[in-house]
Amino acid sequence: EVQLVQSGAEVKKPGESLTISCKGSGYSFTSYWITWVRQMPGKGLEWMGRIDPTDSYTKYGPSFQGHVTISADKSNSTAYLQWSSLKASDSAIYYCARHEGSSSYYEYFHHWGQGTLITVSS
Amino acid sequence: DIQMTQSPSSLSASVGDRVTITCRASQSISNFLHWYQQKLGEAPKLLIYSASSLQSGVPSRFRGSGSGTDFTLTISNLQPEDFAIYYCQQSFSPPLAFGGGTKVEVK
Repeated sequence: EVQLVQSGAEVKKPGESLTISCKGSGYSFTSYWITWVRQMPGKGLEWMGRIDPTDSYTKYGPSFQGHVTISADKSNSTAYLQWSSLKASDSAIYYCARHEGSSSYYEYFHHWGQGTLITVSS
Repeated sequence: DIQMTQSPSSLSASVGDRVTITCRASQSISNFLHWYQQKLGEAPKLLIYSASSLQSGVPSRFRGSGSGTDFTLTISNLQPEDFAIYYCQQSFSPPLAFGGGTKVEVK
């Protein structure tokens, strides 16, 4: 069974750093890209970016380029989303999702993590 | 970048109704259009991929159609479990983009 298990909820202060994780199991981790999606409170879905776990090639959405870092450790079947300096506006639920393949033809998502709630408040 | 516009943003319907949600792309995206359902507190669920292909396990009352810039998700014989928010998503070219969502509420 394919599973994406994300790390738990976090409460942080503005300016702090944070890394959340998404561990894949039940499939070949390097055969499928991983995407990260943000959902701010009461709002819609926003695509943040994706990573190819084979070579860690990443592509970011324009609103997120330079603000977050997506990485992956294929030896641990885990993808990461990292902030170096959080802002209150980063408060949201963050989902990882597995692409249906490893090419641009398969950029839709059947398997999702459970979501990680990040709260940034002083 | 490709923008995705959904309409309506919300609608009220009754069990047994037929519901239609529209998604429009700012440029042609061929059939690189996918539909998701999201219920409160849950991750999104893939319903339709490549505009009209029904994801395995999704009831046949969900139907997707369209190509180019205009797409439709139709839910026939609306069931109680279908009250949720629906999103379209384009994958024609990065950055990938979701529509703003359509909330299907109980009339």
